[in-house]
Amino acid sequence: DIQMTQSPSSLSASVGDRVTITCRASQGIRIDLGWYQQKPGKAPKRLIYAASSLQGGVPTRFSGSASGTEFTLTISSLQPEDFATYYCLQHNSYPWTFGQGTKVEVK
Amino acid sequence: QITLKESGPTLVKPTQTLTLTCTISGFSLSTSGVGVAWIRQPPGKALEWLAVIYWDDDKRYSPSLKSRLTITKDTSKNQVVLTMTNMDPVDTATYYCAHLTLGPDILTGYLGGQYFDYWGQGALVTISA
Repeated sequence: DIQMTQSPSSLSASVGDRVTITCRASQGIRIDLGWYQQKPGKAPKRLIYAASSLQGGVPTRFSGSASGTEFTLTISSLQPEDFATYYCLQHNSYPWTFGQGTKVEVK
Repeated sequence: QITLKESGPTLVKPTQTLTLTCTISGFSLSTSGVGVAWIRQPPGKALEWLAVIYWDDDKRYSPSLKSRLTITKDTSKNQVVLTMTNMDPVDTATYYCAHLTLGPDILTGYLGGQYFDYWGQGALVTISA
């Protein structure tokens, strides 16, 4: 199985901060990775696909990047509605695996 | 407009079998490249992929749960059904179904497919005697 190591598990930030979340894959997954945002009591929402492509309708303050087996989600200027938990997903090979999540909290 | 909706029991006794239904609209499971997956999330924990079924009836399962899972589709009813046997309290979770498509992305040319771009609202299932 491919392990997705996501860090940090939580972070505290203020509105306007730049936030970076990382997922490291245990082996190569090309760019077969997505990022999802989940708010309490709601289903996840896809933000990024193919490691760096922005889902339609998602604000451009969200961006994704890839370098080898390391993938990064960046929020350039955190907004009040961005406080949530974020997950990465690899779909390169079965079983598809999610990261453990990063909870972005108010500082 | 693509939508998915999970339905099923909210409470299941240990050792019983859980049957969940995902009713889809806005797309067809007979369309080439289309799939529907099940994902679950225990309270306060991370997401876990369980199973997927494709338009051609190909099925894949999480190895850790494969012996307990069965996924089927009824294209005429626009439904995907997941059964999980021998339920245990650790299986208490919100169960989601999600849409995916294989093939190239028109905008970017990405060939890896579109995964979990639409989700159902989720169904909380509690396992308790």
